[in-house]
Amino acid sequence: DVKVTQSSRYLVKRTGEKVFLECVQDMDHENMFWYRQDPGLGLRLIYFSYDVKMKEKGDIPEGYSVSREKKERFSLILESASTNQTSMYLCASTRGEVYNEQFFGPGTRLTVL
Amino acid sequence: GDSVTQMEGPVTLSEEACLTINCTYTATGYPSLFWYVQYPGEGLQLLLKATKADDKGSNKGFEATYRKETTSFHLEKGSVQVSDSAVYFCALRFTGGGNKLTFGTGTQLKVEL
Repeated sequence: DVKVTQSSRYLVKRTGEKVFLECVQDMDHENMFWYRQDPGLGLRLIYFSYDVKMKEKGDIPEGYSVSREKKERFSLILESASTNQTSMYLCASTRGEVYNEQFFGPGTRLTVL
Repeated sequence: GDSVTQMEGPVTLSEEACLTINCTYTATGYPSLFWYVQYPGEGLQLLLKATKADDKGSNKGFEATYRKETTSFHLEKGSVQVSDSAVYFCALRFTGGGNKLTFGTGTQLKVEL
């Protein structure tokens, strides 16, 4: 079974802190994605990566950065957390260029106080 | 740009009732269409998909038909169970290429005994 794991299920941080959200997949997938999920807004793409050290902005990249140093790991970084970044963060991965199913992690619920 | 519109929830049904969750899309070209499901406390899972007009996707008793003339992909099930309670997301594959998905806002389904 494909497995996408996220480092924390729940996280509480303070405004201004630097926050790291980690995502690891074990199926050698080339593509990885970070979304945030908010009520009434669905899932919105923050960043994605097609290969190691490659990244592209999604629809809402402001206030976020990412790192992909190894194929299996994709990190989302909040340089200076703000209260409007309180959300559920979902990581996903998929194989190759032709569309395949995206496999999702369980999510990290981040609260910024 | 590409977008997906789905009916607002929550939808509350009695067990064995019929379900329809409406989904319409706006896209250039001919996107692939998907339904994902999110059970409580979990990440999203692919429920079904259709890659061209008139295709019918089906899984676990759920069905959806890709209707190009009405730009719709409505999710249907003839008899829902309590275990179907979840949030359902309609999505389309970004027609600009790659593996990006555009999601609807999600529809929560509650099935009661």
